[in-house]
Amino acid sequence: DGGITQSPKYLFRKEGQNVTLSCEQNLNHDAMYWYRQDPGQGLRLIYYSQIVNDFQKGDIAEGYSVSREKKESFPLTVTSAQKNPTAFYLCASSPPMGRATYEQYFGPGTRLTVT
Amino acid sequence: QQQVKQSPQSLIVQKGGISIINCAYENTAFDYFPWYQQFPGKGPALLIAIRPDVSEKKEGRFTISFNKSAKQFSLHIMDSQPGDSATYFCAASEIGTGFQKLVFGTGTRLLVSP
Repeated sequence: DGGITQSPKYLFRKEGQNVTLSCEQNLNHDAMYWYRQDPGQGLRLIYYSQIVNDFQKGDIAEGYSVSREKKESFPLTVTSAQKNPTAFYLCASSPPMGRATYEQYFGPGTRLTVT
Repeated sequence: QQQVKQSPQSLIVQKGGISIINCAYENTAFDYFPWYQQFPGKGPALLIAIRPDVSEKKEGRFTISFNKSAKQFSLHIMDSQPGDSATYFCAASEIGTGFQKLVFGTGTRLLVSP
């Protein structure tokens, strides 16, 4: 099955600890994205990557870091500098521009709780 | 300039009724307007999308109406069913930038009562 996997589904951490969220895709997509979702708010873009070894800050990048060493993988680290890390985190990917579809495909999400 | 405003925040519709969700945008450079559907605990999935060269697009029970001059677009769900109960997000982006950076609305939680 082609798709995006995120692990784990639920993650609990103590305040002050860094935590890394996994995102893997086998859709052969170049572009990958990380979003944060909070109750009553839309999806907000944290980081995005158009190609391996390249990534850009989104609208709320402070306190987060990413890497893109492989096309299939785009892990997100939530650092201790992120003031309000508890949220639902969504990873997405999209096919190259110029194709007939502009759809972003989302993973199932990771719910992070920091106490 | 980058905002997409969505209303209502929540909506209750009887089975068989019409659900209507509205969005407004500011950036006139936006040229792609998708709607995503999200069930609890899941990631969003593309429902239907429209480009500004048409004023309406229909797929089954789902229709997007687009008003370029008013910078508004809406989702209509005909014959709403309990299985349609989910959160719906509108979004917008500029295809021409060569990269799809979606700006999302704040979401509408739809409940279809049996």
